Amino acid sequence: DAKTTQPPSMDCAEGRAANLPCNHSTISGNEYVYWYRQIHSQGPQYIIHGLKNNETNEMASLIITEDRKSSTLILPHATLRDTAVYYCIVRGSGNKLVFGAGTILRVKS
Amino acid sequence: DTGVSQDPRHKITKRGQNVTFRCDPISEHNRLYWYRQTLGQGPEFLTYFQNEAQLEKSRLLSDRFSAERPKGSFSTLEIQRTEQGDSAMYLCASSARYGGGLSEETQYFGPGTRLLVL
Repeated sequence: DAKTTQPPSMDCAEGRAANLPCNHSTISGNEYVYWYRQIHSQGPQYIIHGLKNNETNEMASLIITEDRKSSTLILPHATLRDTAVYYCIVRGSGNKLVFGAGTILRVKS
Repeated sequence: DTGVSQDPRHKITKRGQNVTFRCDPISEHNRLYWYRQTLGQGPEFLTYFQNEAQLEKSRLLSDRFSAERPKGSFSTLEIQRTEQGDSAMYLCASSARYGGGLSEETQYFGPGTRLLVL
């Protein structure tokens, strides 16, 4: 599975959009990009995933560049409850998820 | 909507004791995964089942660890002769995956069992 690179931490003002970047320059054609988040002391929560096209659900939007080497998770109106560690994972043919260090998002009032 | 459940949520034990954790996956999910997470780190894969068959085990899963999924529904993870280094959050996830093809498979995690070995 391709390796991902994320900034270690980011701050966002409450009510503003949070844009979390992820680089995955070695991604292969059949590998999906998955985003999870983990709020302190809880299990990881699935957010969204995509292959080529941009995706949107009730939680977030996922923007994948045309060359698929990077993506951005967008939380349109961040709240204090969105403070968490966000993991970007590229999932290939292997079955397990390989978590990196993720990005600590701090939403501030 | 019943998600993945895990029991117990917290366990404190003394070094050398055996502990067993249970995971109930989302119904009709045929795959079940176990992960371990230590403080400040992301979750690390331990093992997974497809139905009742254990198909992959990580090198992290020492001989003291055993996992079962006897009827392809719930799963147990047992740690024998616990050590202080076993202190961690043990996470279970489930997914539905049928056939081969593209790698789209969404795993849903439970709340975890936090183990403290004294």
